[in-house]
Amino acid sequence: GIQVEQSPPDLILQEGANSTLRCNFSDSVNNLQWFHQNPWGQLINLFYIPSGTKQNGRLSATTVATERYSLLYISSSQTTDSGVYFCAVLRSNDYKLSFGAGTTVTVRA
Amino acid sequence: DTGVSQNPRHKITKRGQNVTFRCDPISEHNRLYWYRQTLGQGPEFLTYFQNEAQLEKSRLLSDRFSAERPKGSFSTLEIQRTEQGDSAMYLCASSLQGRVTEAFFGQGTRLTVV
Repeated sequence: GIQVEQSPPDLILQEGANSTLRCNFSDSVNNLQWFHQNPWGQLINLFYIPSGTKQNGRLSATTVATERYSLLYISSSQTTDSGVYFCAVLRSNDYKLSFGAGTTVTVRA
Repeated sequence: DTGVSQNPRHKITKRGQNVTFRCDPISEHNRLYWYRQTLGQGPEFLTYFQNEAQLEKSRLLSDRFSAERPKGSFSTLEIQRTEQGDSAMYLCASSLQGRVTEAFFGQGTRLTVV
């Protein structure tokens, strides 16, 4: 199956700092999604971004499908940004998302 | 609320008992997925339905697990003779078949087998 690697595995930030999370994948994809898992375990959709760049408030994401990676940017981080961020991809000719192991972000006040 | 809904949110059961979880997808979504997530890991695919047809089952899904989606609407996931290793978060997701395949997840059911 497709391999999805996220880095770094853990990230500790001071409130107000900026950060970049990376997702590498091993095959062509039709879909890439970024999720934030809240403390209760629910996966919250951040971006649906098979290619290009999108922004939503302090978060933005870029996917370069031809080079098989995606980046999630967090600017001016807040304590509420803490949690686990997952990248998930849908391989071409497939229908199920494959997840990376996640990046655990801790934002300290 | 028109999102994906899962019930129950939490389930504690004794080893050897059977449990059943329910998932109500977004109403117009014809694709439905079950995933399992253990502590510190990303979600792992269990099974997939397109309408009422179960089209794929992961090797993770032993013969103690069964899933149904009658009439292509809600889905149930049953685990028979639960084992401690079944303790996990069970996540349901739905999406549309088509050009935009964004998946949306429910709140999950956290299973603890004691």
